[in-house]
Amino acid sequence: SQKIEQNSEALNIQEGKTATLTCNYTNYSPAYLQWYRQDPGRGPVFLLLIRENEKEKRKERLKVTFDTTLKQSLFHITASQPADSATYLCALADSNYQLIWGAGTKLIIKP
Amino acid sequence: TAGITQAPTSQILAAGRSMTLRCTQDMRHNAMYWYRQDLGLGLRLIHYSNTAGTTGKGEVPDGYSVSRANTDDFPLTLASAVPSQTSVYFCASSEIHGSDTQYFGPGTRLTVL
Repeated sequence: SQKIEQNSEALNIQEGKTATLTCNYTNYSPAYLQWYRQDPGRGPVFLLLIRENEKEKRKERLKVTFDTTLKQSLFHITASQPADSATYLCALADSNYQLIWGAGTKLIIKP
Repeated sequence: TAGITQAPTSQILAAGRSMTLRCTQDMRHNAMYWYRQDLGLGLRLIHYSNTAGTTGKGEVPDGYSVSRANTDDFPLTLASAVPSQTSVYFCASSEIHGSDTQYFGPGTRLTVL
């Protein structure tokens, strides 16, 4: 079956360190993969998109990598801050360009 | 601009009753989507609309219906609610179907008793 998996356990990171979140998928060949941030009681907010022919994408303190051989995307936040605490969702576009979503990883940045 | 608005914010509904969740966007986006979000699961697509006048079924359409009479509005109707429809419902839009970014509303928390 087709699956997209994110670590269900919360990730605790000390302020100032780099947080790395993982998104793994099986049985897809996505055209692109996206990362969203979701705060409690709010809708997801788009952060970054990376296409199948791209290895890495950066935006300020954020970096996303995409390894289509490993079927994995890594999402990095450098110099993490308590305000980065949130749940981060990955989503990939299937063959019909519908988004398939992971369940998200909760990130906690401790001061 | 407001982006996407949803109403109500939350609702408790008796099983067997009907309800319409409202969604309005002011970005003139062609595509709109309804998702449900349940604890431990990813967002699941209920229905979508690529343009006004057209709708399509997503991953979990049973028990739900939608209409898209105009560009801005995309209501979701539960004809006869069941407890398994207890969830948080998000409406989203994108410029066109398959375009890069989806923009989400604040969600409606629905409890069916």
